[in-house]
Amino acid sequence: NAGVTQTPKFRVLKTGQSMTLLCAQDMNHEYMYWYRQDPGMGLRLIHYSVGEGTTAKGEVPDGYNVSRLKKQNFLLGLESAAPSQTSVYFCASSYRGPAHSVFGSGTQLSVL
Amino acid sequence: GENVEQHPSTLSVQEGDSAVIKCTYSDSASNYFPWYKQELGKRPQLIIDIRSNVGEKKDQRIAVTLNKTAKHFSLHITETQPEDSAVYFCAARGRGTGGFKTIFGAGTRLFVKA
Repeated sequence: NAGVTQTPKFRVLKTGQSMTLLCAQDMNHEYMYWYRQDPGMGLRLIHYSVGEGTTAKGEVPDGYNVSRLKKQNFLLGLESAAPSQTSVYFCASSYRGPAHSVFGSGTQLSVL
Repeated sequence: GENVEQHPSTLSVQEGDSAVIKCTYSDSASNYFPWYKQELGKRPQLIIDIRSNVGEKKDQRIAVTLNKTAKHFSLHITETQPEDSAVYFCAARGRGTGGFKTIFGAGTRLFVKA
C-alpha cells in the first residue's frame, strides 16, 4: 500500500517548456488535489477533483491544467512554464472531502 | 476574499513547556479546521482536526479549540518534545459559490529546545 505517489520528485524547466506531474493513489479515494507551497506561505489549492472524469478550479488555477481520466491518477500540466511557477507541488487525496487528506511527498519544480 | 491568518510565525519553547498557535479565519461558512505538521523536506501530515459543531478536541498531548463567534481556533501542544519541532499549518474549509475551499495559514515554525 503506497498511499499517494508523486512523480517526478525534482524537475528543472526552462521558461516556456511544458511538463506533466503525475499523482497516483491506491486507496480508492474519490477526491484528489494539487497544491503548491511557496516559502512563507501555506499550501494553496490549484485544482481538485471530486471523482473520475471531473475537475474543478482551486485558489490559483491560472497557468495549470489537470485531468482525472482514471480514479487513481490526477495529472497536473504546465503548458508554458514561467519562473513564478517555481514551487513545491503536493498532491493529496481523500475519501470524501478534504478531511483526512493524505499527501504525497512533493515535487520540487524550478523554472529558470 | 477569504483568508486565514496564523500567529506566531515562529515560536521557540523549552522542552516540556506548552506551545500555542492561533489562527483566525474570515469565511463564516467555514466548517472544518484541520492542523498539519510538516517536518523539514517532508510532506504535511494531518495531526488533528475539528468540525464547527465541536468546541474542543484532544488527542494525547495535542488539543484544538474553536471559537466560532470570534472565528478563531488554536492548537495547543503540552509537554513539548524536540520531535515536535516542525512547521505547523492551520486551515479552514468552507463551501462558497465556487465550490468548497480549503484556505491554509502561512505556517508557524516551532522550535523545541532540549
